[in-house]
Amino acid sequence: QQQVKQSPQSLIVQKGGISIINCAYENTAFDYFPWYQQFPGKGPALLIAIRPDVSEKKEGRFTISFNKSAKQFSLHIMDSQPGDSATYFCAASPRATNKLIFGTGTLLAVQP
Amino acid sequence: GAVVSQHPSRVICKSGTSVKIECRSLDFQATTMFWYRQFPKQSLMLMATSNEGSKATYEQGVEKDKFLINHASLTLSTLTVTSAHPEDSSFYICSASLAQQETQYFGPGTRLLVL
Repeated sequence: QQQVKQSPQSLIVQKGGISIINCAYENTAFDYFPWYQQFPGKGPALLIAIRPDVSEKKEGRFTISFNKSAKQFSLHIMDSQPGDSATYFCAASPRATNKLIFGTGTLLAVQP
Repeated sequence: GAVVSQHPSRVICKSGTSVKIECRSLDFQATTMFWYRQFPKQSLMLMATSNEGSKATYEQGVEKDKFLINHASLTLSTLTVTSAHPEDSSFYICSASLAQQETQYFGPGTRLLVL
């Protein structure tokens, strides 16, 4: 089944803290895993993406950790800022397609 | 780079009318464009995939005669919601990708309200 499970549904973090969002999948045909950030009333914006042959990827304050054997991946936002408050979606793309299957989203609130 | 625009940003129409939404890739040629629908506080649901010059591929449960998609050029795709009803009210978002690349660049979305 092409499904991506995301948790938590919502998250409150203090400014300067680490925000962690988790996703899990079943379909081993997925081979591309992006994370998107969406502000209210706007389209999603690509944050960072990873492939299964890499266990970790870091871009600035954003890090993806990938566990292929567990079929899980997570987004870590270091030094979280109020401007990071948004909804975050993980996604997965099956091999040989460029479709995206989105997770259910996590509403992040970073308190000043 | 990789900017995608949508027009209009919001539209209100009467039940039974048709509404056309445009999606443009401004600084790249998009071989594939996607259309999504997003209800409040929910995730993005893929409606259809369109490749330039060919018919769109619709996801299961999406009525192709109701949601007409045209991808006539490498920079423009249109979604027409025909005979719109209140249950079609939603946030419609397009995305575009380059040939042989999985990365999708999203437009800002179009808020449709059908009265």
